[in-house]
Amino acid sequence: DTGVSQNPRHKITKRGQNVTFRCDPISEHNRLYWYRQTLGQGPEFLTYFQNEAQLEKSRLLSDRFSAERPKGSFSTLEIQRTEQGDSAMYLCASSLSGPATQYFGPGTRLLVL
Amino acid sequence: AQSVTQLDSHVSVSEGTPVLLRCNYSSSYSPSLFWYVQHPNKGLQLLLKYTSAATLVKGINGFEAEFKKSETSFHLTKPSAHMSDAAEYFCVVSGLEAAGNKLTFGGGTRVLVKP
Repeated sequence: DTGVSQNPRHKITKRGQNVTFRCDPISEHNRLYWYRQTLGQGPEFLTYFQNEAQLEKSRLLSDRFSAERPKGSFSTLEIQRTEQGDSAMYLCASSLSGPATQYFGPGTRLLVL
Repeated sequence: AQSVTQLDSHVSVSEGTPVLLRCNYSSSYSPSLFWYVQHPNKGLQLLLKYTSAATLVKGINGFEAEFKKSETSFHLTKPSAHMSDAAEYFCVVSGLEAAGNKLTFGGGTRVLVKP
């Protein structure tokens, strides 16, 4: 079990640029979640997938954000036209269906200058 | 909808003394509750979870938590703090399975352990 992995671990970008993050879940997990954690706060739910289907998006996820999980395995989160307010830690988690524990990756820390 | 309130943003304890981290939750159904720990530059790690079985839940590294429905509380304790316990702790409630088990986190409690 290699756990949930995320790449890159750190990203610095300039305002207005696009960025993309990748999450590789635990292999047998059919659910994948994205959360965002700003400094001094707890993580907040952004979106989740059941296999390749995106089933819910939070109101936090503006139209500049898009997430995909094309083959029901890894997922990408893209932010277009980044803003300074997008600076945060982006966390990915995966789980089985049902009342299962979510296992988190190490996160991608984004800094928008 | 559900919510979680962690009553202390910071807790400072001496090594070898007990640790108490307080958490109250609000939920319109019988929730699943979790405590996660986050060490600097590391991912969230599950300490323990409550899923309507025994109300006293034992976790890793000597932590335990007690679910009290009448008080809507899920406080985390450890009898003797270790230096390695210095980290941020999050109390978490899970949404309904039909709604994808989305997690709602408290604001976190940062634990400082003094030698």
